[in-house]
Amino acid sequence: EVSLVESGGGLVQPGGSLRLSCAASGFSFSDYDMQWLRQAPGKGLEFVSGITNNGARTYFAESVQDRFTISRDNSKRTLYLQMGSLKPEDMAVYYCARLSGGGYYFDYWGQGILVTVSS
Amino acid sequence: QSALTQPASVSGSPGQSITISCTGTSSDVGFYNLVSWYQQHPGKAPKVLISEINRRSSGLSDRFSGSKSDNTASLTISGLQPGDEADYYCCSYAGSGTYVFGGGTKLTVL
Repeated sequence: EVSLVESGGGLVQPGGSLRLSCAASGFSFSDYDMQWLRQAPGKGLEFVSGITNNGARTYFAESVQDRFTISRDNSKRTLYLQMGSLKPEDMAVYYCARLSGGGYYFDYWGQGILVTVSS
Repeated sequence: QSALTQPASVSGSPGQSITISCTGTSSDVGFYNLVSWYQQHPGKAPKVLISEINRRSSGLSDRFSGSKSDNTASLTISGLQPGDEADYYCCSYAGSGTYVFGGGTKLTVL
């Protein structure tokens, strides 16, 4: 059974940094592109960042470009999101999701982790 | 990248049909046949319903169907059931490895 479990969320001050992790199991992690998506409280979903299966290419939403980095360790079956220069508008539940094999949709999602940006 | 446009809310009675629209641009919905739809119940992670305009997820009831015309995609749910009450999001591939979502539609089953 596919499982994605996020960790590393919490309270951080504006301007601060935080690293999220997503532990994957139940599938061949190194075969799939992975994504980070987020949802601000009471708001809709937003694409944040994506990475190819081998980590060779990364993609970012304009809103986080140059502040966030995405990476993965296929030996540890873990996806990461390093967030820097955090702003109040970055406060959201962050989801890691698997991009379907050969497709352009998110077929499995983690349960989400809350990031609160506040002084 | 601007969000796709969805109605904030729709409602219907059990057994009825509803349609949720999702309007984008010629750079996303209109350009790619890569629109997906997600259902999200309160406090839960989203779940994919439809991919590539009209491909139902494995095991999904045929009460759910998708379509697209020009820059607008649509999700139709027929034979509404109480369990369909949820938030629904459309999403389109927007090129260069990025995606754009709609603002979400709250479905109320009266």
